[in-house]
Amino acid sequence: DTAVSQTPKYLVTQMGNDKSIKCEQNLGHDTMYWYKQDSKKFLKIMFSYNNKELIINETVPNRFSPKSPDKAHLNLHINSLELGDSAVYFCASAGGSGARNEQFFGPGTRLTVL
Amino acid sequence: GESVGLHLPTLSVQEGDNSIINCAYSNSASDYFIWYKQESGKGPQFIIDIRSNMDKRQGQRVTVLLNKTVKHLSLQIAATQPGDSAVYFCAETAGQFYFGTGTSLTVIP
Repeated sequence: DTAVSQTPKYLVTQMGNDKSIKCEQNLGHDTMYWYKQDSKKFLKIMFSYNNKELIINETVPNRFSPKSPDKAHLNLHINSLELGDSAVYFCASAGGSGARNEQFFGPGTRLTVL
Repeated sequence: GESVGLHLPTLSVQEGDNSIINCAYSNSASDYFIWYKQESGKGPQFIIDIRSNMDKRQGQRVTVLLNKTVKHLSLQIAATQPGDSAVYFCAETAGQFYFGTGTSLTVIP
């Protein structure tokens, strides 16, 4: 009954490779996000999708391409991986009814580029 | 972009003491604030929120104070326990969420 799930949890790859991270939420939320967390724990938003439509695209290299096949899924594809891409990537969703407008985070994917 | 910063990157407290984690925000239009707790190896989890029309909100052992005049937010944890050890983030939003750098809280048994 996991609310926001991500796969894989760990990803180790060589520079120059292309990889994907998948995210799924079963909360019925309309909005999903991708965040990057660096080694200093700083959380920076990368993308936001609302009902499969891109609404936020922060300054992120175009090697990063999000894809939302439906509103429960938001995948992140990364081309030509670089050392600086090493980080923990968090998927989140939001949009429940009620007073709270919190984001629900997935467990994270630790990407290590060698 | 907007910035949300924390005054102290690390905080150590004795078990049973109260903890106070501070956060400064810069967007005066932000109308909703959240504190998140991130344990090692996990994603951030909601602790407590507050809207800009409030100054104080209390939860179970946690209290959030909002001072809009100086754009300051604080999280108070009463009777801190070892399980409270984590990184704490404040987040502000006037539409889009911005997260602070995080404060690492260590509870000493």
